[in-house]
Amino acid sequence: EDKVVQSPLSLVVHEGDTVTLNCSYEVTNFRSLLWYKQEKKAPTFLFMLTSSGIEKKSGRLSSILDKKELFSILNITATQTGDSAIYLCAVDYGGTASKLTFGTGTRLQVTL
Amino acid sequence: NAGVMQNPRHLVRRRGQEARLRCSPMKGHSHVYWYRQLPEEGLKFMVYLQKENIIDESGMPKERFSAEFPKEGPSILRIQQVVRGDSAAYFCASSLAAIGNTGELFFGEGSRLTVL
Repeated sequence: EDKVVQSPLSLVVHEGDTVTLNCSYEVTNFRSLLWYKQEKKAPTFLFMLTSSGIEKKSGRLSSILDKKELFSILNITATQTGDSAIYLCAVDYGGTASKLTFGTGTRLQVTL
Repeated sequence: NAGVMQNPRHLVRRRGQEARLRCSPMKGHSHVYWYRQLPEEGLKFMVYLQKENIIDESGMPKERFSAEFPKEGPSILRIQQVVRGDSAAYFCASSLAAIGNTGELFFGEGSRLTVL
């Protein structure tokens, strides 16, 4: 059965800390891995990763994929209270149609 | 440039009633996906539609659930004879292209169904 596992389940850090969120997966027909940020409402897209070893960056956020070891990490440097959210990892495993399998997410809380 | 619009945002139904959730994709998007998020669980794929066609409904329960995406108008997720276990947040997403073809998925804010 295809599955995506995220760790830790939740995390509390102080503003300014650096955090690393983990996502491991076991899927057939892997096509891409995506990260989303979910605050109280709609998940918003952060990154899509298709190739190993190529870091994607957006401001203080960065992510990398390891297709050999089947995992990805999401780094957030100099965290701010606005980074508090649930971070979702999802894998597009193709097949006959595009669809994503999501992990349960990592709940990040950044405190002052 | 409106995003993915879902309504109603909140819906309360009694057991046995019908629930209809609507989703208008982003302008120009022809790929629509429905996901369900149960409490303390991750988003689970239900169905993938393109205009007038169901492409993949492998994640949708075989009974009581149906989805459509007509040529005109929003996509509809319909749940007949709701039960308490149907209580969840139902998210719609749309994309310009299929995800595997670098199509980014844009989510709506979800419709939260509560079955009494």
